[in-house]
Amino acid sequence: AQSVTQLGSHVSVSEGALVLLRCNYSSSVPPYLFWYVQYPNQGLQLLLKYTSAATLVKGINGFEAEFKKSETSFHLTKPSAHMSDAAEYFCAVRSGNTGKLIFGQGTTLQVKP
Amino acid sequence: ETGVTQSPTHLIKTRGQQVTLRCSSQSGHNTVSWYQQALGQGPQFIFQYYREEENGRGNFPPRFSGLQFPNYSSELNVNALELDDSALYLCASSLSWGQESYEQYFGPGTRLTVT
Repeated sequence: AQSVTQLGSHVSVSEGALVLLRCNYSSSVPPYLFWYVQYPNQGLQLLLKYTSAATLVKGINGFEAEFKKSETSFHLTKPSAHMSDAAEYFCAVRSGNTGKLIFGQGTTLQVKP
Repeated sequence: ETGVTQSPTHLIKTRGQQVTLRCSSQSGHNTVSWYQQALGQGPQFIFQYYREEENGRGNFPPRFSGLQFPNYSSELNVNALELDDSALYLCASSLSWGQESYEQYFGPGTRLTVT
């Protein structure tokens, strides 16, 4: 069975600092992995996805993630945090060919001025 | 291009009642998935509809049911509402072709409160 674990339910950084949100996955097949962002009272917006091509994936808003098979990780990073990055972030793995997504518990990113 | 839309935005129901939530998929998409997101949790897969048939179901009881219409819009019906059904219900549309299903685009959700 596939699963996703997000390490750290809350992450706080200063504006301009590096953002690192951690995600580890479990999958018996090569995974398709996703990062979504959710702003308050909104749905989910796709930040980036890994579909077995390049291991370093670039997404929107300056975010990127690196797929590391040996560590079963897909951590999300951004070199310099903006106040507008404050939101809930979800890592997800696709299960089977239906496209069903299995989500982690989420990480709340707080950005301090 | 119109994105995924959901209605209503908010809904308050009483325990034991029935509710219907609606979703219009993004233009060109033929598959709709429904997720339940309880407060402080990640979304949980309820079920998916493809070509008007259920195409996968998560760990939800039969009182959660759905429909997909020829225009690919969808409904989620929940009978005999329980307090634990209070959540944000998210609809996601995608394009499925053959055995492949592509990335999902989410609507803004319907916030259901059961009292």
